[in-house]
This record gives sequence, C-alpha cells and structure tokens, in this order.
Amino acid sequence: GAVVSQHPSRVICKSGTSVKIECRSLDFQATTMFWYRQFPKQSLMLMATSNEGSKATYEQGVEKDKFLINHASLTLSTLTVTSAHPEDSSFYICSARDRTSYEQYFGPGTRLTVT
Amino acid sequence: KNQVEQSPQSLIILEGKNCTLQCNYTVSPFSNLRWYKQDTGRGPVSLTIMTFSENTKSNGRYTATLDADTKQSSLHITASQLSDSASYICVVSVSFNDYKLSFGAGTTVTVRA
Repeated sequence: GAVVSQHPSRVICKSGTSVKIECRSLDFQATTMFWYRQFPKQSLMLMATSNEGSKATYEQGVEKDKFLINHASLTLSTLTVTSAHPEDSSFYICSARDRTSYEQYFGPGTRLTVT
Repeated sequence: KNQVEQSPQSLIILEGKNCTLQCNYTVSPFSNLRWYKQDTGRGPVSLTIMTFSENTKSNGRYTATLDADTKQSSLHITASQLSDSASYICVVSVSFNDYKLSFGAGTTVTVRA
C-alpha cells in the first residue's frame, strides 16, 4: 500500500526557535498534501493544504507566517514552525493525496514539544 | 457544529468480546465514509472505505456498515484483541474530488485481558 513518511518522528525545541517537519510520499506522487494538528484526546484539525508548485491554502485561524509550508516536489512537503512557543506543542500529521486515485494516506505523525 | 458525531466517546471491553462503534453524519453531498484506526502517537491507518452504494465492508475482524438514508455508520470489532486498543475515527468526504475530510472526534477503545 501507499506509504507516507514524516521526519522527524519527535522533536524537542526551545521557545523562539524554528522547527522543520518533512512529509514524503514514498511510492506515489502527490500534487496535494495536507497538514493537520492534533491535541490530546481530540481529532485531527486541518491546518493547511499544500499544493505542489503553488502557495499553500491555510484554514481560518492558522497563521501562515508562523506555519510556513513548502511543497517543492510531487513527493515532498515541509512544515516549518517559526518562533515556536510552548502552545505550539502538539502532534502534527500530514497526509498526501495520490494524484491518480485521489486517495489520501496519512503519515505517522511528528510529536513537537516546545520547552 | 461538527458534521460527524461518534459514540461512545470511549469504551472498555474484555479481550475476546465484540463491540460496535457508531457514527452519524450530516455531511452533504456525501462521497464516501472511512473508518481509521489510530494508535497512540501514530497517524491514522485506514480500515475501511465505503461509497454511497455500499452497505457493508469487512477488513479482517473489522466490519463497517453504512446506511446512507439515515446517514449512519457503524464499525463492529469481532473477537477483540489487546492490539485493538486504539482510537477509531469516522471520516466523511463531501465529493470525489473534494479533498476536505470531516473528522469525527473518535472513539477510544481499550481492550483488557
């Protein structure tokens, strides 16, 4: 089956620093990738939609200057959390939409802890 | 208001027993409904996906049903195992080409020996 990877799986950073999370589709091409955030005991919340070769579309309430998204190729999207604060600590999950089947596949998630 | 409601919020069952999780949705127009299993600290993994015309879909010990008229779905877990302990999420999509997924809050299942 289709595989989506995320790197790193977990990261701890200090307040004020920036953290980059990678999302890769390993065996299919994805023109669209999605970034979600999940707080404990809550469901996934869509943050932004990343389209290859164009600017990302952010959901209401998500700061585009804080959560920088780059979708440079059909297999890679990155999310950079800039000037991280403790309230940014969360579980970040990406998904990739297969360009031929339109099916979405989720990555394993990245646990971000900001101290 | 969330367009996908799941119940119960959590449940505890003994190993070997069966359980059924419920999902009601108001998403329209409806394209497909998926059930995902999410282990703690992991991303969601697809269990089943059903389109409008499908009433039931099985994946091993997992069986999902769909009633598109009443907009209800259920996920039945047969002969539960300890590894079934996870959050089960009902996800509904609006139309075939619409990437927006509506997520339920999930049901946390705990299987005890």
